[in-house]
Amino acid sequence: RKEVEQDPGPFNVPEGATVAFNCTYSNSASQSFFWYRQDCRKEPKLLMSVYSSGNEDGRFTAQLNRASQYISLLIRDSKLSDSATYLCAVSGGYQKVTFGTGTKLQVIP
Amino acid sequence: DVKVTQSSRYLVKRTGEKVFLECVQDMDHENMFWYRQDPGLGLRLIYFSYDVKMKEKGDIPEGYSVSREKKERFSLILESASTNQTSMYLCASSREDINYGYTFGSGTRLTVV
Repeated sequence: RKEVEQDPGPFNVPEGATVAFNCTYSNSASQSFFWYRQDCRKEPKLLMSVYSSGNEDGRFTAQLNRASQYISLLIRDSKLSDSATYLCAVSGGYQKVTFGTGTKLQVIP
Repeated sequence: DVKVTQSSRYLVKRTGEKVFLECVQDMDHENMFWYRQDPGLGLRLIYFSYDVKMKEKGDIPEGYSVSREKKERFSLILESASTNQTSMYLCASSREDINYGYTFGSGTRLTVV
């Protein structure tokens, strides 16, 4: 089983839709969780860290479910500019982070 | 604007050559990392460093070495390049507190022929 798993997609959604991605992780001792965004032919950029109580940043909401070992990202009111690949990342120890292979989102006009 | 700078965007090398990929960060970060990214395999950690002259193996260190002589610079070395090392190489740095996440460089697309 991979340490971090994501559905590769693509998720094709119309503008204005709400879309959610999940990411599962195998190490129950994992401590830190993140979502990154990667545009085509660009480097990943941190979208948000995921906290135990869940957190929100504008249209983006991240949740952590330790019991089922997954994190989620919810995007409300999707914009064309949200089209990208979303990588989840998990840290099981001091600074070493394992990335998922990413979920591709395409927002359609 | 804080950043991580990788010396080359595209690089073509021959099999057997020794290859140096350079990465410099201007954020005074303690931690630096080298990943490679391949389709279907995602980002895989090659080496990382917590401090000057300190290095730790990641998940796929074979065929690579690193050097960190100064805090701001972390070099990845391919001792004898092979075609299976053709990839996108991404350098990243982070503060000591991991919850600030990584800052990545723009990557080096290396092709070994």
